[in-house]
Amino acid sequence: EVQLLESGGGLIQPGGSLRLSCAASGFTFSTYAMSWVRQAPGKGLEWVSSITGSGDSTYSADSVKGRFTISRDNSKNTLFLQMNSLRADDTSVYYCAKVWGTGPSVRYAFDIWGQGTMVTVSS
Amino acid sequence: EIVLTQSPGTLSLSPGERATLSCRASQSISSSYLAWYQQRPGQAPRLLIFGASNRATGIPDSFSGSGSGTDFTLTISRLQPEDFAVYYCQQYGNSPFTFGPGTKVDIK
Repeated sequence: EVQLLESGGGLIQPGGSLRLSCAASGFTFSTYAMSWVRQAPGKGLEWVSSITGSGDSTYSADSVKGRFTISRDNSKNTLFLQMNSLRADDTSVYYCAKVWGTGPSVRYAFDIWGQGTMVTVSS
Repeated sequence: EIVLTQSPGTLSLSPGERATLSCRASQSISSSYLAWYQQRPGQAPRLLIFGASNRATGIPDSFSGSGSGTDFTLTISRLQPEDFAVYYCQQYGNSPFTFGPGTKVDIK
């Protein structure tokens, strides 16, 4: 069974850092691009960042560029999101998602989602 | 950035009725890189449609997608109780891979 399990969320003060992890199982992790999507309480979905299967190309929303870094360890089937300089408006549930197609592109819909991990930025 | 607009914001219907949801893009979406997701309360989103009109694995044929360019539609032919949820469109052709604000389908 294909599964994604996020971890690393919690309460953090403004300006702090947090590293999210997403453990993948049930598929050949290195052949799929992966993404992070977030959802603020009571709000809609916001794409955050994507990374190719090899990890050599990344893409990020302007709202997180320069603060968040997506990466992956294909030997450990794990996706990461390093979040620095956190702000109150980063408070959200963070989902990792797998794309449905293989290949060097990230231009695929997200077919498998984790259950999410909550990040709360507050003093 | 491609901005997606969804209408209506809320759709109030009865079980068994047909639902028609609209997603309009601020510029043409290349090669129909348009997806639809369903999100039930307290759950992660679920992929319904990719490539504007292709059903994802396990999605019933009561769900159908259509459209191209800047105008896309998700149709639910007969609403089942489990279909009352929020629906999002997303374009994944050009970074940033934006989502629409969502359409809530609730019980009339």
